[in-house]
Amino acid sequence: KAGVTQTPRYLIKTRGQQVTLSCSPISGHRSVSWYQQTPGQGLQFLFEYFSETQRNKGNFPGRFSGRQFSNSRSEMNVSTLELGDSALYLCASSLKGTSGTSTDTQYFGPGTRLTVL
Amino acid sequence: DAKTTQPPSMDCAEGRAANLPCNHSTISGNEYVYWYRQIHSQGPQYIIHGLKNNETNEMASLIITEDRKSSTLILPHATLRDTAVYYCIVRVEAPISNQGGKLIFGQGTELSVKP
Repeated sequence: KAGVTQTPRYLIKTRGQQVTLSCSPISGHRSVSWYQQTPGQGLQFLFEYFSETQRNKGNFPGRFSGRQFSNSRSEMNVSTLELGDSALYLCASSLKGTSGTSTDTQYFGPGTRLTVL
Repeated sequence: DAKTTQPPSMDCAEGRAANLPCNHSTISGNEYVYWYRQIHSQGPQYIIHGLKNNETNEMASLIITEDRKSSTLILPHATLRDTAVYYCIVRVEAPISNQGGKLIFGQGTELSVKP
């Protein structure tokens, strides 16, 4: 099975611009989560989507948004970019079974490295 | 905040076992222990997880103490390619329809495997 794919892998933007990042989950996985990794703050949870609905949200400003499509692919958008948004953005997918409870292991993609100048 | 405590760094000789400790003294009965590793600038890689019993897979073994307040990840024969940051995470088992997607990462342990 192919793993989680993220596009683009590298991106350079300037302050004030907006950016859209894409994530394709592992085939059959229904949940997609997004994380931001910076040297200062480490790995931080942004949000999770399941069945096209945002299920969980981290402590980030409203400039960070996302969506999920019916095929489980997800995009995240950052508007009005700031220098501090420079980071590695990681997407993770999980199966989310259809019954009972699940420990629901998350599998990560390679990330998108965003640089804001 | 992360619910786990790990040493910031460790060294291991190539070919020897690497034993990475993790303290999770406030773990709840329905929380699992997960381990991931991240090789520089790549996405975190899932290694193993467990609830109470010791677990083993092709990558590693996970030893959880009886009181579940700590655990150890064992890489039986470390290689240079095992050099990475290793994260120990506790995570609640969640109903499918509920909020189960959030992983809270701490600072992890930077493992250096030396020739």
